[in-house]
Amino acid sequence: GDSVTQMEGPVTLSEEAFLTINCTYTATGYPSLFWYVQYPGEGLQLLLKATKADDKGSNKGFEATYRKETTSFHLEKGSVQVSDSAVYFCALHGNTGTASKLTFGTGTRLQVTL
Amino acid sequence: DTEVTQTPKHLVMGMTNKKSLKCEQHMGHRAMYWYKQKAKKPPELMFVYSYEKLSINESVPSRFSPECPNSSLLNLHLHALQPEDSALYLCASSQDPQAGGPGNEQFFGPGTRLTVL
Repeated sequence: GDSVTQMEGPVTLSEEAFLTINCTYTATGYPSLFWYVQYPGEGLQLLLKATKADDKGSNKGFEATYRKETTSFHLEKGSVQVSDSAVYFCALHGNTGTASKLTFGTGTRLQVTL
Repeated sequence: DTEVTQTPKHLVMGMTNKKSLKCEQHMGHRAMYWYKQKAKKPPELMFVYSYEKLSINESVPSRFSPECPNSSLLNLHLHALQPEDSALYLCASSQDPQAGGPGNEQFFGPGTRLTVL
């Protein structure tokens, strides 16, 4: 079945540091790939997405490129801020007939300090 | 309106109580979802409604009963819950229930934090 593997957290960075959160996946066919962010006490927000190989999703300074050859969708940001502290979930969108189903990674907690 | 709303925000209930969670979206989405999220874990899918019909039940205990009265509204009825059911319950919606379609991203509400005593 489909699966998503994320790097273990927490990831602790100083403000303005470069961020990479690794995500790899296993799926049949050509899944859509997503990054969601969850701030403390809140629901999930869609951060970015890519629907086909070599697509680059970007939003709020975050980027991720759909790499089919390495089955990866790593999240990057050039300069993190304290406000980026949250849990980040990589997810893929599989096919179960008439309805869509998301498969999530375990989540990576990011802590950004001054 | 690009929001999924959920009420209540917090709920405390005893094991003999009956309560309901409510979710609403006005984006014209035709698929709606219930997820359960325990602390420090990813969301776990519970139910999927596609065009107002239940299409996926992830072997959820019958003490959780979903209902989709119309295309904008999704309820989750709770009865005789256990303390281990305490969690954040998230609702989501997506435009296109068909996987692979362009509108397949899911939009989440803020959740209801449920505590069962």
